[in-house]
Amino acid sequence: RKEVEQDPGPFNVPEGATVAFNCTYSNSASQSFFWYRQDCRKEPKLLMSVYSSGNEDGRFTAQLNRASQYISLLIRDSKLSDSATYLCAVNEEGGGNKLTFGTGTQLKVEL
Amino acid sequence: GAVVSQHPSRVICKSGTSVKIECRSLDFQATTMFWYRQFPKQSLMLMATSNEGSKATYEQGVEKDKFLINHASLTLSTLTVTSAHPEDSSFYICSARDLFSPATNEKLFFGSGTQLSVL
Repeated sequence: RKEVEQDPGPFNVPEGATVAFNCTYSNSASQSFFWYRQDCRKEPKLLMSVYSSGNEDGRFTAQLNRASQYISLLIRDSKLSDSATYLCAVNEEGGGNKLTFGTGTQLKVEL
Repeated sequence: GAVVSQHPSRVICKSGTSVKIECRSLDFQATTMFWYRQFPKQSLMLMATSNEGSKATYEQGVEKDKFLINHASLTLSTLTVTSAHPEDSSFYICSARDLFSPATNEKLFFGSGTQLSVL
């Protein structure tokens, strides 16, 4: 079983739709969680950190479920510019600050 | 925010040659940098952790003699792919964390990546 798993997609949604991604992780000792956005052949850019209480940034909401060991990302009112690959990343306790990434979920927002 | 510069952005080379990729932290000191590799439609896979002034720590399955890492200063780490072969063609990307910044120390800043194509 992979340490961090995501549905690769693609998720094809119309502009304005709400879309949600999940990411599961296998190590219950994981401490920090993040969502990154990656455009084709570009470096990942941090979208948001994921806190136990959940957090929201504009149209984006991230949540953490420690009991079920998954994190989620919700995008509301999706824009064409949201089309990208969304990577979740997990930092394990004692992992030396290195992140383990999921394979990413591809989102395509269409007119 | 912290800036990480990586170059070259793209390299095309012949099989058997060596390629050096540089990663610089421009406005902070990075005692640790991370080197990742990403094949098409796959995740970023950590190759090694580069430690300033000491040997790099390689992940399981990564050949240390093939992927030479040097982290001689607090702002520069280099990855050299020795005797490159077509199967080494991939997107290589470095990252670093500004541990001295309370506001951003949990964040990983990435270089812009290097697309290596070995013919």
